[in-house]
Amino acid sequence: KAGVTQTPRYLIKTRGQQVTLSCSPISGHRSVSWYQQTPGQGLQFLFEYFSETQRNKGNFPGRFSGRQFSNSRSEMNVSTLELGDSALYLCASSSLQGNWETQYFGPGTRLLVL
Amino acid sequence: GDSVTQMEGPVTLSEEAFLTINCTYTATGYPSLFWYVQYPGEGLQLLLKATKADDKGSNKGFEATYRKETTSFHLEKGSVQVSDSAVYFCALDGRTGNQFYFGTGTSLTVIP
Repeated sequence: KAGVTQTPRYLIKTRGQQVTLSCSPISGHRSVSWYQQTPGQGLQFLFEYFSETQRNKGNFPGRFSGRQFSNSRSEMNVSTLELGDSALYLCASSSLQGNWETQYFGPGTRLLVL
Repeated sequence: GDSVTQMEGPVTLSEEAFLTINCTYTATGYPSLFWYVQYPGEGLQLLLKATKADDKGSNKGFEATYRKETTSFHLEKGSVQVSDSAVYFCALDGRTGNQFYFGTGTSLTVIP
């Protein structure tokens, strides 16, 4: 099976702009989670989607939003970019296996805000 | 709430040394536990997992045992290689809130 893919891999934007990142999960996986990774804060959970519905959300401002399509592909959008939004954005997909899930990560999108 | 506490790094070892990275957790239910590894410039890769007490996860020479009595899931490897240099993350799926909880990561550097 193909793994989780994320596009684009690298992105440079300026403050005030908006950006959309894309994630294609492993075939058959219906859950997609997004994380922000920075050297100072580590891995921080953004949100999780399952069957086109947001099931859980982390502590990020409303500028961060996401959605999931019927084919389980997901996008996240950041509006009015700030310098502090520079980070590696990781997407993970998972499937429920019995009573637990395993998350499989994509390579990430590295966003630099100037 | 659920959380994971991981040993602070960075850790530097000589090749063939023994590795232990400590991880303890807090969870209200019966979580599944995971170790992920991140190589430079890449996303996280699942290294091993354990889904119930006393389970031992193992992969590529790494092992971790799910200890409910001490709420721990320490990562061990008997003989590290230079290629093991990476950042290691302990994580749990507490089955509450549909969210994974990650530790802060431990950076490992293995020198020849």
